[in-house]
Amino acid sequence: ETGVTQSPTHLIKTRGQQVTLRCSSQSGHNTVSWYQQALGQGPQFIFQYYREEENGRGNFPPRFSGLQFPNYSSELNVNALELDDSALYLCASSVDIRETQYFGPGTRLLVL
Amino acid sequence: RKEVEQDPGPFNVPEGATVAFNCTYSNSASQSFFWYRQDCRKEPKLLMSVYSSGNEDGRFTAQLNRASQYISLLIRDSKLSDSATYLCADFNAGNMLTFGGGTRLMVKP
Repeated sequence: ETGVTQSPTHLIKTRGQQVTLRCSSQSGHNTVSWYQQALGQGPQFIFQYYREEENGRGNFPPRFSGLQFPNYSSELNVNALELDDSALYLCASSVDIRETQYFGPGTRLLVL
Repeated sequence: RKEVEQDPGPFNVPEGATVAFNCTYSNSASQSFFWYRQDCRKEPKLLMSVYSSGNEDGRFTAQLNRASQYISLLIRDSKLSDSATYLCADFNAGNMLTFGGGTRLMVKP
């Protein structure tokens, strides 16, 4: 196992609501990246946090935001949910920015 | 053109067969690549990294062809348990993994 955990495992929300997804990285991993994986597609990079600062962002709107905490945990927040936000959300931790990324089990979000 | 492209398959092969997948990438500056395996409704799990000419791990061999900008994954002596989606990813000049859409493999008895 990778030692990366995510919560909750599944979540159902309605359009317009807000959601917070959580990730706990391996101890000592100071980098966490978040990805969105729609059904039948590969994961798409949302953003990365390194030592509690955002360190890169993919093509996602500002309503996707994140935080990283000193205890190797992090959050992905999505405001004003849209139907297309329904996906598997994956976090991946790594020892450092350019090191191999290991994925957590993901949170499956359904927006109705 | 997508940055990383894969044939979605499915590749249907009998047990014991050898199967190969290719993955093309568009960023000529990319230095490292990864193959991940993803089972249905699970997270991607690292299979192997490809940093230079290639990498081998048991029945799995990954090759990098910089001239033609593709990486390949060869699976020898396929097992039923190899059935999964195989994702290739480009670890580009930034800090993110850019994934292809995945190639689905189904190994039949």
